[in-house]
Amino acid sequence: DTGVSQDPRHKITKRGQNVTFRCDPISEHNRLYWYRQTLGQGPEFLTYFQNEAQLEKSRLLSNRFSAERPKGSFSTLEIQRTEQGDSAMYLCASSPPGQGVYGYTFGSGTRLTVV
Amino acid sequence: GESVGLHLPTLSVQEGDNSIINCAYSNSASDYFIWYKQESGKGPQFIIDIRSNMDKRQGQRVTVLLNKTVKHLSLQIAATQPGDSAVYFCAENPPGTYKYIFGTGTRLKVLA
Repeated sequence: DTGVSQDPRHKITKRGQNVTFRCDPISEHNRLYWYRQTLGQGPEFLTYFQNEAQLEKSRLLSNRFSAERPKGSFSTLEIQRTEQGDSAMYLCASSPPGQGVYGYTFGSGTRLTVV
Repeated sequence: GESVGLHLPTLSVQEGDNSIINCAYSNSASDYFIWYKQESGKGPQFIIDIRSNMDKRQGQRVTVLLNKTVKHLSLQIAATQPGDSAVYFCAENPPGTYKYIFGTGTRLKVLA
């Protein structure tokens, strides 16, 4: 499979618990992006990495959210002390080197439900 | 399956007719735009793009029009097919960034 892979596809958690999602980008892609999508809305940018460096973070990314890409390959997004407002689809995308924003490929997302 | 958007504007068209989906973007300095298609339970899928130095671009069965004066994009789908049923988003890339800002989205329903 050469697409962007996200795991898990669905996650149900109780309010206050921590959750972690994983994204495996397309192998030769050096940029990796996280977006959040709530029902009825378009995706909203959260953060992006170039290799292992986190270069931009949205104001949406509160201090309960942390993203890492330690070896410049897969990335994790952790949400601590989840709240009901965190319920959303979390999308990962990647893009190849030398192409700027061109060649974005999205994964199928992780659907988080906080109960 | 889960729904991408429960309260999105909806466009219903007969199979075989042409569809036109409109979008307003926010940043007059944005210089690159994409239309995405999103089916239930899936991530956005690239359809067609256009740079700000163009006002029209055609693909296979799809055409994008850009009106920078009023910050408006449209997506035209010719001979709409059942497989075109999905939610469609426009997205703009503000200059100097690697992110996209997505519009609200429109649900396209193709009636047999």
